[in-house]
Amino acid sequence: GAGVSQTPSNKVTEKGKYVELRCDPISGHTALYWYRQSLGQGPEFLIYFQGTGAADDSGLPNDRFFAVRPEGSVSTLKIQRTERGDSAVYLCASSTNKNTEAFFGQGTRLTVV
Amino acid sequence: GIQVEQSPPDLILQEGANSTLRCNFSDSVNNLQWFHQNPWGQLINLFYIPSGTKQNGRLSATTVATERYSLLYISSSQTTDSGVYFCAWDTGRRALTFGSGTRLQVQP
Repeated sequence: GAGVSQTPSNKVTEKGKYVELRCDPISGHTALYWYRQSLGQGPEFLIYFQGTGAADDSGLPNDRFFAVRPEGSVSTLKIQRTERGDSAVYLCASSTNKNTEAFFGQGTRLTVV
Repeated sequence: GIQVEQSPPDLILQEGANSTLRCNFSDSVNNLQWFHQNPWGQLINLFYIPSGTKQNGRLSATTVATERYSLLYISSSQTTDSGVYFCAWDTGRRALTFGSGTRLQVQP
């Protein structure tokens, strides 16, 4: 596609529920990144994929967070047993390779009530 | 990890004024990008500038890698320039890390 696409744009879920957030990167980009941005803060790194493998997941806050990229293109960020503190904008980015210019999607605003 | 200072944290300008935003780094960085986050939250790429100087219209950026800083210049500011400006970098080992941002408000 022309840019990084994230769905849904907004997601409201109840505390304790499971959610999946989708990222469709720019075609041909092998590197894919997930970030989380809380109100008034800069984006914080969660996980980075090179191809199908998670090359760096050091930013995932705990084991309730998991991400996959099974075919090296679309990625899904999964959050189990959501908590109110998980409320944030989740951003996805892609680049041709690691350490090259990254392009961001419009984000998914997650609200846990 | 690398310490980054982004300044100023907040800036209010009158339309037509010029400004300079700065990122200082405590160590060498591999790549550097400047982004503008508009009021709707979209991160817009401004410059990919590991070193040197680039210009795009009213905006320009300079990174002096040996002295560990990068500057973003905004000339003849417009109200549409309002938002948050982030510098972001990587060290080659980690993915992009973002500074704390400069919140810019351009008043008509």
